Amino acid sequence: SAVISQKPSRDICQRGTSLTIQCQVDSQVTMMFWYRQQPGQSLTLIATANQGSEATYESGFVIDKFPISRPNLTFSTLTVSNMSPEDSSIYLCSVGENYGYTFGSGTRLTVV
Amino acid sequence: SQQGEEDPQALSIQEGENATMNCSYKTSINNLQWYRQNSGRGLVHLILIRSNEREKHSGRLRVTLDTSKKSSSLLITASRAADTASYFCAFNAGNNRKLIWGLGTSLAVNP
Repeated sequence: SAVISQKPSRDICQRGTSLTIQCQVDSQVTMMFWYRQQPGQSLTLIATANQGSEATYESGFVIDKFPISRPNLTFSTLTVSNMSPEDSSIYLCSVGENYGYTFGSGTRLTVV
Repeated sequence: SQQGEEDPQALSIQEGENATMNCSYKTSINNLQWYRQNSGRGLVHLILIRSNEREKHSGRLRVTLDTSKKSSSLLITASRAADTASYFCAFNAGNNRKLIWGLGTSLAVNP
């Protein structure tokens, strides 16, 4: 199964700043998924990142707030822009495989 | 909403007991998956059951799927303190590769 390296694992950021989260996969994958998980909640899909095209965002998420890059088939970044305390969450990347989905270890973001 | 529903929301048992978690959904699915999450970290895939399967085993895990009732259950037998985690069901529907997630069950196994 794929192995995903996600970083940073956690960060504390000032409001109004931006944070870029990186995910590196050890194999080539077509689609990567970015999720947000607010404290004590389930996962909410932010967007699907395809290589060579713009990411597809879910309702309630916009590119200006969560720009995504997908420069090749093994790497993607998610930026959380102009952060506010409401952005404090765990952010996760994921790739799909035949038996299920593999997740990065998550980035725990706290905005103060 | 397409979101899956899980019950119970929280479950507390003693080591050695069995834990059963249930997931219900409203749409037709291709497969249903169960994941474990420890302390807000990344999720670990446990098991996938396809829509044409009724039961699947993996070690101490047993998953059933009843497509007529649109429900699935995850049974953890002989639980251990290390099984303490949140458990989520998720499923694919139609041609969509997006996963639709349940709300999760928080399991505490007391030593």
